[in-house]
Amino acid sequence: SQTIHQWPATLVQPVGSPLSLECTVEGTSNPNLYWYRQAAGRGLQLLFYSVGIGQISSEVPQNLSASRPQDRQFILSSKKLLLSDSGFYLCALRELARSYEQYFGPGTRLTVT
Amino acid sequence: AQSVAQPEDQVNVAEGNPLTVKCTYSVSGNPYLFWYVQYPNRGLQFLLKYITGDNLVKGSYGFEAEFNKSQTSFHLKKPSALVSDSALYFCAVMTLTGGGNKLTFGTGTQLKVEL
Repeated sequence: SQTIHQWPATLVQPVGSPLSLECTVEGTSNPNLYWYRQAAGRGLQLLFYSVGIGQISSEVPQNLSASRPQDRQFILSSKKLLLSDSGFYLCALRELARSYEQYFGPGTRLTVT
Repeated sequence: AQSVAQPEDQVNVAEGNPLTVKCTYSVSGNPYLFWYVQYPNRGLQFLLKYITGDNLVKGSYGFEAEFNKSQTSFHLKKPSALVSDSALYFCAVMTLTGGGNKLTFGTGTQLKVEL
């Protein structure tokens, strides 16, 4: 079965600093990959999704960007963090050979100070 | 635009009693509906889905959900609640988009099961 790794698990960064969050997956090939942000412990907002290497779709214009340099690697970045970037970031995948559900990684807690 | 609504921020139930977490949806076309559970500081875990077929869908950990097209609802149920079921529950609807298949989540319902 598939496994999703996210690191770091927690991160505290000052305003204006850069960001790089990494998501890697195992046990699957050519998955769809997704980045979500969860603010205030509740609502989930889709930020980016990717259907293949180098293919990124952005859902919400913001201070973040995403890249997929390899089939099983999905990176979330920012050049300058804002306070509003704080939240719980979740990576998810959907295996095309299976049904429609997405599977989520353990998440990264980002606090911008 | 497709959406789901979870009208209850919190549901309290005694252990051993049946539980229901409500979800209503708004879609154009056939609905693809999902339930997920989240424990504190963890990622979401998939519970069950409705794509087509029987209106009663069975999932993980003894949960089930009933799809009701006339009421546009997809309520999550369990016959006998456990304290360990206490968590945050999300209903979601899928949008089919040229391969992306995006999920739109409700705002979540906190379930608290008490002894």
